[in-house]
Amino acid sequence: DQQVKQNSPSLSVQEGRISILNCDYTNSMFDYFLWYKKYPAEGPTFLISISSIKDKNEDGRFTVFLNKSAKHLSLHIVPSQPGDSAVYFCAAMRGSQGNLIFGKGTKLSVKP
Amino acid sequence: GAGVSQSPSNKVTEKGKDVELRCDPISGHTALYWYRQSLGQGLEFLIYFQGNSAPDKSGLPSDRFSAERTGGSVSTLTIQRTQQEDSAVYLCASSLAGTARYTFGSGTRLTVV
Repeated sequence: DQQVKQNSPSLSVQEGRISILNCDYTNSMFDYFLWYKKYPAEGPTFLISISSIKDKNEDGRFTVFLNKSAKHLSLHIVPSQPGDSAVYFCAAMRGSQGNLIFGKGTKLSVKP
Repeated sequence: GAGVSQSPSNKVTEKGKDVELRCDPISGHTALYWYRQSLGQGLEFLIYFQGNSAPDKSGLPSDRFSAERTGGSVSTLTIQRTQQEDSAVYLCASSLAGTARYTFGSGTRLTVV
């Protein structure tokens, strides 16, 4: 029973264009959401997060949008750069304690 | 240390043997997590330690898996009688209490042959 779903295993975009990565969740009790980025042979690294009291959080080229009614969040990368090529994991948790629940990841390829 | 350190980075073992995987978290991080990533899968939660509290073992897939955390710092994940389906990358992460911003290690790639 997957509580966090990333339905697109891969995404390819042209350098300079927008990348949009999507994530859906089923547990309405989740109140904190994060995106992690993973390069091959490395551990995931924290990218950006959003609390359920907000619907948008922006950090440089990265923006996360949260639609609570649809239980959907998305990560926008503008403009996309070849160095953004990695696997992106969506994660969610309930409260401030406990473990993150991760999606299966989306592999982003940004072509020069 | 500066980051989360895991050892070994790679481990090949024969089916039926026991293995131990080690994790050195960031100093001062009271929370420690073990996840694994099997081929084509996401990050699967295994176990979570928070301070002196009893660990959350709800993600351990079978009783062949166990973990301990000594002195609130180093953690060891033990897999007994390894099976081929245990082959995966085992990732350790640590964080400050009350935050979801984990710092992950580079993982241990376990291959059971």
